[in-house]
Amino acid sequence: KQEVTQIPAALSVPEGENLVLNCSFTDSAIYNLQWFRQDPGKGLTSLLLIQSSQREQTSGRLNASLDKSSGRSTLYIAASQPGDSATYLCAVKRGGSNYKLTFGKGTLLTVNP
Amino acid sequence: DAMVIQNPRYQVTQFGKPVTLSCSQTLNHNVMYWYQQKSSQAPKLLFHYYDKDFNNEADTPDNFQSRRPNTSFCFLDIRSPGLGDAAMYLCATSFTGSPNTEAFFGQGTRLTVV
Repeated sequence: KQEVTQIPAALSVPEGENLVLNCSFTDSAIYNLQWFRQDPGKGLTSLLLIQSSQREQTSGRLNASLDKSSGRSTLYIAASQPGDSATYLCAVKRGGSNYKLTFGKGTLLTVNP
Repeated sequence: DAMVIQNPRYQVTQFGKPVTLSCSQTLNHNVMYWYQQKSSQAPKLLFHYYDKDFNNEADTPDNFQSRRPNTSFCFLDIRSPGLGDAAMYLCATSFTGSPNTEAFFGQGTRLTVV
């Protein structure tokens, strides 16, 4: 059974700081990995997707990396802003005949002005 | 343009009264998921459809059922809601034809049981 762990559970940083969120998973047989953002009371917004064959993806101030063999992914946020405050969730999709999407518990990020 | 639409956004139901939540998609994705999310917790997968194949999670209570009459629509039926079923219910879609296709989520339905 796939287990996804996110560290830290919560993070508070001053505006402008660069930061890293961590995600680890137990089963390396993944189809892809996706990072989401969730604002309070809202649905999930996709930030970045990394295919199992890729090492990293970038979008603006966000960079996600994937080391499938060690079961790890990181989300790097450069020059954080108060508008980045949200919960960040990592999800891994299983391949094969199932395509189950499993989430970590998320990291609650607060960026202080 | 909304691609995964959940209705209603907010639902209040009485204890024990059956309720149905709906999800529709315009993406023609072949996989649809239903998640339950309680406050400050990760989304918990209840079940998902891979094409017409239904995949139920082992720990999903029998009280929860699902229907997918066609590619575009999926329903979550709660036969006898209890107070513990109050949560946000999230629908998501995905396409298995390419590992580069993102999963998309609707805005969720907030269920209150009174």
